[in-house]
Amino acid sequence: EVQLVESGGDLVKPGGSLRLSCAASGFIFSNALMNWVRQAPGKGLEWVGRIKPRSEGETTDYAAPVTGRFTISRDDSNNTLFLQLNNLKPEDTGLYYCVTGVLILDGAWITDYWGQGTLVAVSS
Amino acid sequence: SYELTQPPSVPVSPGHTARITCSGDALPKKYVFWYQQKSGQAPVLVIYDDNKRPSGIPERFSGSSSGTMATLTISGAQVDDEADYYCYSADTSGKRVFGTGTKVTVL
Repeated sequence: EVQLVESGGDLVKPGGSLRLSCAASGFIFSNALMNWVRQAPGKGLEWVGRIKPRSEGETTDYAAPVTGRFTISRDDSNNTLFLQLNNLKPEDTGLYYCVTGVLILDGAWITDYWGQGTLVAVSS
Repeated sequence: SYELTQPPSVPVSPGHTARITCSGDALPKKYVFWYQQKSGQAPVLVIYDDNKRPSGIPERFSGSSSGTMATLTISGAQVDDEADYYCYSADTSGKRVFGTGTKVTVL
């Protein structure tokens, strides 16, 4: 069974930093493209960024609002995805989801997977 | 910045067909995904690569894409399909973006 468990969300002041983690299990994490997606309270989904697997150079892409402030990394030995959030702003408040790319499991089960999210609140 | 535009709401009667559109300039060259999000829950993938159904998704969900518009069709809508729906694709540089979201009401 695929599981994604996010942690690290907290209440922080503007300009502060946080490090979010996503513990993955049930699939070959090292082969998977991984995304972070966020959702502000009562608002729509917003893609934050992604990291490709080591086989594709572990390259990263970010949405414009977070470029230069957020950094995605991965620890394949511990099946964990990270999101470092620096210089946080009130508009960064929201539920942060860890999301896999589309996976093919057991040769036939095709879908992607989302965690339940971790809440980040930025306020003075 | 690149935007994917969806209608804010689509009402549908039970058993009838709902069509949700997603408009974007890069869609002729980029695949579209569709997500269903029920209140208080994480999103669920219902269509990927324009028209493919993930495992476990009912056949009443189908997708198509032509030119700058993609469409999610729910045939024979059920009360359980009431949710927010988001399209998801990429801009010409490869950065991902979600659509503005559509609330489907089944009544």
